[in-house]
Amino acid sequence: DGGITQSPKYLFRKEGQNVTLSCEQNLNHDAMYWYRQDPGQGLRLIYYSQIVNDFQKGDIAEGYSVSREKKESFPLTVTSAQKNPTAFYLCASTREINTEAFFGQGTRLTVV
Amino acid sequence: KQEVTQIPAALSVPEGENLVLNCSFTDSAIYNLQWFRQDPGKGLTSLLLIQSSQREQTSGRLNASLDKSSGRSTLYIAASQPGDSATYLCAVYSGGGADGLTFGKGTHLIIQP
Repeated sequence: DGGITQSPKYLFRKEGQNVTLSCEQNLNHDAMYWYRQDPGQGLRLIYYSQIVNDFQKGDIAEGYSVSREKKESFPLTVTSAQKNPTAFYLCASTREINTEAFFGQGTRLTVV
Repeated sequence: KQEVTQIPAALSVPEGENLVLNCSFTDSAIYNLQWFRQDPGKGLTSLLLIQSSQREQTSGRLNASLDKSSGRSTLYIAASQPGDSATYLCAVYSGGGADGLTFGKGTHLIIQP
């Protein structure tokens, strides 16, 4: 089955730690995205990548970093500079920029 | 900056009713609009995608319309079922500097058995 796999489903981070969220897709899509979802707010774009080895900041990129070394993979690192990282993180992909978006099942990150 | 609003924020109706969810956006220069469903603690499931040149799309009991000039879209659900209970999200793609979707906050729908 084609789709997007996010792991882990739940992640706990201590103060001052960096953590990395995994996102893998087997849809052969060119573009991949990371969104953050907080209660009572809409999804907000963190980073996106249209092609391998290229990525762009979204609306709330501060405290996050990404890489796109392979077409299938777009990991997100939440750094210690992100002051309020507790949220639900969603990865998405599209065949091209202007086509239907498909989402993974999300990773819930909690700071302990 | 594009803003997306969804009304109502929550809706509870008896099983079997037909219902309409509303979505409005401030900048009519969009490339497409997409409706999603989200179950609690889960990711988003794509329901319908409407390109800017289209007026509506249908999938089973779902029908989505788009009036780009007025900045509005509606999602019509026919013969609602308890399994339709979820949060429904509307999102638009506007292109420009940040190439991702702009989302509304969603409509939380409960279908009473």
